[in-house]
Amino acid sequence: DAKTTQPTSMDCAEGRAANLPCNHSTISGNEYVYWYRQIHSQGPQYIIHGLKNNETNEMASLIITEDRKSSTLILPHATLRDTAVYYCIVRVAAGTASKLTFGTGTRLQVTL
Amino acid sequence: SAVISQKPSRDICQRGTSLTIQCQVDSQVTMMFWYRQQPGQSLTLIATANQGSEATYESGFVIDKFPISRPNLTFSTLTVSNMSPEDSSIYLCSVAVNLAGELFFGEGSRLTVL
Repeated sequence: DAKTTQPTSMDCAEGRAANLPCNHSTISGNEYVYWYRQIHSQGPQYIIHGLKNNETNEMASLIITEDRKSSTLILPHATLRDTAVYYCIVRVAAGTASKLTFGTGTRLQVTL
Repeated sequence: SAVISQKPSRDICQRGTSLTIQCQVDSQVTMMFWYRQQPGQSLTLIATANQGSEATYESGFVIDKFPISRPNLTFSTLTVSNMSPEDSSIYLCSVAVNLAGELFFGEGSRLTVL
């Protein structure tokens, strides 16, 4: 699986958009970009994933650059409950390679 | 989606003893995984629990230390054997429920070894 690079930490004011970047310059053509988050003392939670097109769901938007070497997770209106560690993971979607390899993630602190 | 229940949610154990953690899923799933999260660290995959056969362990993890059972498609156990304080971690069960590859996680079992 391709390696990812994320900032260690970020701050965001409540109500503002949180933009979390991720670099994955060695991504292969069949690898997807996944985002998970882990709120303190809980198990990780799936947020969104994509291959090359931008994706949006009820939680967030995922913007993937045209060369697929980087992506940005956008939380459009961050709340205090979005304070968590966010993990960007690149891997093949299905089959026996469904395991996830977690990096260190970005610790997002949403403040008043 | 899947609802995953882990037992125990937390435990305090003595050095040299063993603890078995249970993972129960509310639906049949193909892929089940066990992760460890040491204090202040990210998650590390221990092994893939295979139904009807031996688990597939990641580098650095061995069956004698972390024996895993998976008797059916909804249940698995992870045993932490001959525990030492370095085994103090959160152990998480995870399952894949669809071909899209998204995983669901249990709330974890927080283990403290004295």
